[in-house]
Amino acid sequence: KQEVTQIPAALSVPEGENLVLNCSFTDSAIYNLQWFRQDPGKGLTSLLLIQSSQREQTSGRLNASLDKSSGRSTLYIAASQPGDSATYLCAVSNFGNEKLTFGTGTRLTIIP
Amino acid sequence: GAGVSQSPSNKVTEKGKDVELRCDPISGHTALYWYRQSLGQGLEFLIYFQGNSAPDKSGLPSDRFSAERTGGSVSTLTIQRTQQEDSAVYLCASSLGTAYYNEQFFGPGTRLTVL
Repeated sequence: KQEVTQIPAALSVPEGENLVLNCSFTDSAIYNLQWFRQDPGKGLTSLLLIQSSQREQTSGRLNASLDKSSGRSTLYIAASQPGDSATYLCAVSNFGNEKLTFGTGTRLTIIP
Repeated sequence: GAGVSQSPSNKVTEKGKDVELRCDPISGHTALYWYRQSLGQGLEFLIYFQGNSAPDKSGLPSDRFSAERTGGSVSTLTIQRTQQEDSAVYLCASSLGTAYYNEQFFGPGTRLTVL
């Protein structure tokens, strides 16, 4: 059974700093990994999707990497802004099924 | 519409009543998913549709839960004889095809409170 872990559960950093969020998964037989952000009381916003054959994806100040063999992904946020404050979730899609298995998330606070 | 929509946004019901939650996926998306987000359990998969068929219902927690999809578009999640442990945010997502190569896009959710 796939298990997805995100550490730390919460993170506070001053505005302007670069930061890294971590995601690990136990079963490396994945099709893809997706990073989301969730604002309080809102749904999930897709940030980046990395296919299993890819090692990284970039969108603006965000860069996500994937090391499938070690079961790890990181989300790098450059030059953080207060608007980046949210909960960040990673999720994986495994071979043989369509569902996403989610981590428990990292609650990020950017301090102005 | 531009994104996945869900209705109602909030639903308060009494224990034992039935509720229906609606999801309108992004136009042209053939795959549709229901998830549940609760404080104690995180985000959990409930059911997946490809067109009008549901090949994976493995996440439905009990036979009180059912879902259907019509016309390859709108989906309804029905919870019969609601219990307090059903209180959660119910999220719907859609994607272009299968999850293998496509992103899932989520709606804003329906917050269900069972008194």
